Amino acid sequence: AQTIHQWPVAEIKAVGSPLSLGCTIKGKSSPNLYWYWQATGGTLQQLFYSITVGQVESVVQLNLSASRPKDDQFILSTEKLLLSHSGFYLCAGGQYNNQAPLFGEGTRLSVL
Amino acid sequence: GEKVEQHESTLSVREGDSAVINCTYTDTASSYFPWYKQEAGKSLHFVIDIRSNVDRKQSQRLIVLLDKKAKRFSLHITATQPEDSAIYFCAASINSNNRIFFGDGTQLVVKP
Repeated sequence: AQTIHQWPVAEIKAVGSPLSLGCTIKGKSSPNLYWYWQATGGTLQQLFYSITVGQVESVVQLNLSASRPKDDQFILSTEKLLLSHSGFYLCAGGQYNNQAPLFGEGTRLSVL
Repeated sequence: GEKVEQHESTLSVREGDSAVINCTYTDTASSYFPWYKQEAGKSLHFVIDIRSNVDRKQSQRLIVLLDKKAKRFSLHITATQPEDSAIYFCAASINSNNRIFFGDGTQLVVKP
């Protein structure tokens, strides 16, 4: 069965500090991977997607970057956090275009 | 690009009644339509999907209808229960690319 794991579960960070969030998917080879951001009680905003190792497409620029160093790993990062980065970050993965992506449990980020 | 609109931002029903959430999409190339449920403080969980080669699909108390001419699809929850209370997201995906587009979510409240 396909599983997707995000880390950390939650973070409290200071404005201007760096951030790295991770996502690992197991049970599928060459999955499509996605990063989403959700403000508290808000809509889902797709940030990045990747269809293969080393290739990442940016959907929305929020002073964040993403990388796919391995087939099963997707990393979201920034060197300087802003207050507006607070929210719920979700990683999702799936193998085909017509298959519902599986979501990880999310990382809740508070920037103070 | 594709735009998915979810018509009801909030929906309140009595326990045992049916709930209907409506979504429209813009790109006729969209061919896959998953639905997700998000309980308070949690991630998204896939509930049901429909592909463009059918116009109706049922899974227990969930029914999805697809009207390709109107570019509209809907989620029907029959015999609602308090545990159905959550945010529901509709989504649309195009076979030829690797994007999946989400609606803004509908907060469903089932009152006892």
